[in-house]
Amino acid sequence: EVQLVESGGGLVQPGRSLKLSCAASGFTFSNYYMAWVRQAPKKGLEWVATISTSGSRTYYPDSVKGRFTISRDNAKSSLYLQMNSLKSEDTATYYCARHPYGGPGGDYWGQGVMVTVSS
Amino acid sequence: NIVLTQSPATLSVTPGESVSLSCRASQSISTSIHWYQQKSNESPRLLIKYASQSISGIPSRFSGSGSGTDFTLSINRVESEDFSIYYCQQSYSSLLTFGSGTKLEIK
Repeated sequence: EVQLVESGGGLVQPGRSLKLSCAASGFTFSNYYMAWVRQAPKKGLEWVATISTSGSRTYYPDSVKGRFTISRDNAKSSLYLQMNSLKSEDTATYYCARHPYGGPGGDYWGQGVMVTVSS
Repeated sequence: NIVLTQSPATLSVTPGESVSLSCRASQSISTSIHWYQQKSNESPRLLIKYASQSISGIPSRFSGSGSGTDFTLSINRVESEDFSIYYCQQSYSSLLTFGSGTKLEIK
């Protein structure tokens, strides 16, 4: 059974940093692209980052480029999202998703982790 | 960036009715469109991939169609558990984008 479990969320002040983690199991992690998708309260889904199987290629929307960094550790079947210079508009539930290459942004999703950026 | 426009924003229907939800892309994306269902306080669930390909475990009343710029998610005879929000998402570009969603509510 595919499982994705996020952790690391919480309350953080504007301008500070936070690192999210996602532990994957039930599939060969190193064979899949992975992605982070977020959802602000009462809002729609927004793609945040994608990483290739080896980690050599990463993609971001303009809204987070230069502030967020996606990474992975295939030996630990783990995905990460380093978030720097956080803004109030980054407040959202962050989902880890398995992203088949060229396919759905997420064929499997984690339960999500809440990040609140507030002073 | 590829913009996806979903319509209508809200659709009010009676259980047992059949419905069609629309997703229009700002440029041709072949069949690189995927549909998700999100129930309140739950993670999104993949319903249809590549415009019309079914997903294991998803009821057969859900189907998808379209290519190029116009796509449709159809639900044949809506059931009570189907009232939720539906999103389309494109993977034609590596810069993924989602539509703003269609809320299916009980009339």
